[in-house]
Amino acid sequence: KNEVEQSPQNLTAQEGEFITINCSYSVGISALHWLQQHPGGGIVSLFMLSSGKKKHGRLIATINIQEKHSSLHITASHPRDSAVYICAKNYGGSQGNLIFGKGTKLSVKP
Amino acid sequence: EPEVTQTPSHQVTQMGQEVILRCVPISNHLYFYWYRQILGQKVEFLVSFYNNEISEKSEIFDDQFSVERPDGSNFTLKIRSTKLEDSAMYFCASSDSGGRGGETDTQYFGPGTRLTVL
Repeated sequence: KNEVEQSPQNLTAQEGEFITINCSYSVGISALHWLQQHPGGGIVSLFMLSSGKKKHGRLIATINIQEKHSSLHITASHPRDSAVYICAKNYGGSQGNLIFGKGTKLSVKP
Repeated sequence: EPEVTQTPSHQVTQMGQEVILRCVPISNHLYFYWYRQILGQKVEFLVSFYNNEISEKSEIFDDQFSVERPDGSNFTLKIRSTKLEDSAMYFCASSDSGGRGGETDTQYFGPGTRLTVL
């Protein structure tokens, strides 16, 4: 089945903690996306990666193509990082439509 | 910074009525998408659109749904006869390319239209 699985489903952290969210997928990809959904519902693309590692500010995304696994890390977490983080994959060969995971709800306490 | 816009932000309709959700993608993008998210559930792909035709559609996108790019800027989703289960947040997205695996595949999402069917 062509699915994306995320863990954990919910995550509560104290401000300053290092956070890891995991994503695994069952079928090969052309790219893996990490997105952030704000409490109001808006979706923002954070990363798109097909190999290796990308960093943007305090966010780091890694992917292991062989193991079909990706992680999103947040260093020095802050309450403003509280959101739902969603992993999504391009279905290779398609026109870029995404298959989404259920998301990880992150809450960072001050 | 260019952004995807959607109107209306909230649409309330009676079951059986037709609704049109509107989107203005980023101006130089070529690929357009509609997704929906039922409250409490994951985001689901509905349809992708390129070169004035549907590229791909999901099982959800049945004969009740249609998409159109009536002019050079708007991209619309029409639901012909709404059902209670169509109540959801509908997101439009656009990208410069589709499925190549490069940075230009990055999809930019609109703020969504919340559709409530009574």
